[in-house]
Amino acid sequence: EAQVTQNPRYLITVTGKKLTVTCSQNMNHEYMSWYRQDPGLGLRQIYYSMNVEVTDKGDVPEGYKVSRKEKRNFPLILESPSPNQTSLYFCASSFRGQGAGGELFFGEGSRLTVL
Amino acid sequence: AQSVTQLDSQVPVFEEAPVELRCNYSSSVSVYLFWYVQYPNQGLQLLLKYLSGSTLVKGINGFEAEFNKSQTSFHLRKPSVHISDTAEYFCAAIIQGAQKLVFGQGTRLTINP
Repeated sequence: EAQVTQNPRYLITVTGKKLTVTCSQNMNHEYMSWYRQDPGLGLRQIYYSMNVEVTDKGDVPEGYKVSRKEKRNFPLILESPSPNQTSLYFCASSFRGQGAGGELFFGEGSRLTVL
Repeated sequence: AQSVTQLDSQVPVFEEAPVELRCNYSSSVSVYLFWYVQYPNQGLQLLLKYLSGSTLVKGINGFEAEFNKSQTSFHLRKPSVHISDTAEYFCAAIIQGAQKLVFGQGTRLTINP
C-alpha cells in the first residue's frame, strides 16, 4: 500500500531534550516536505527536499533540522525543543515538485508536546 | 507575497443541505489551486485541484470548485452534504514553477442531522 509513515504518532518531551520524528514514503517520490499545523494558522512549511541531499527552508525553519540521505526517508530533528514547538507535524511527499502541480500525500501526523 | 484566505473558520450545515466553503488567494501571477480535506485524526488528502483548462473542477465525494481569475477565488461546493463530510477543509495555492505551497487557515465543516 502506498503510504507516508511517520513515527512517533504521539510524543511528550521536555525542553531541551533532542528528538527526531521519522518520515518514510514507499512511492519513490522525489519531493518531501514537513509542515506544522497550529489552530487558526493552517499548515506552515518547515523544510522541503527536492531530492536526495537537496533540502531548503520553508516558512518556519527556526529550531528544526532535516536531512535527506536516502530518497525514501526525510527525518525532522529538533535539537533543543522548546514549548513553542508544541504542535501537530505532518510529513508529505509528491512525485514531482510542488511547482509542477503534483498532489501531496500526507502522513497521519505526529502530535508533539514540549513541556 | 502569496497568501490564501479562507473566509470562514467554521461552517455548520444540516445534512443534505448545500454548502460552499470560500477561498481567496492573492497572486499577480499564474497559480495552481488545491482543496485538501482532513478527517478527524488523519492526515490531509486531496479533494481536487485546478492546474489549467476548465474553470469548474470536479473532485472526489461529490465536491466541485470553480476557479474565478477575476475575483481570485476558488470556492468549494457540494450540493448535498452527508454526516461523513464532517472534516476540516484546506485551500492551498502555489505559484507555477515555485516550490512553496501556501495553505489557508482551514474551515471546519460540521454537519448536523
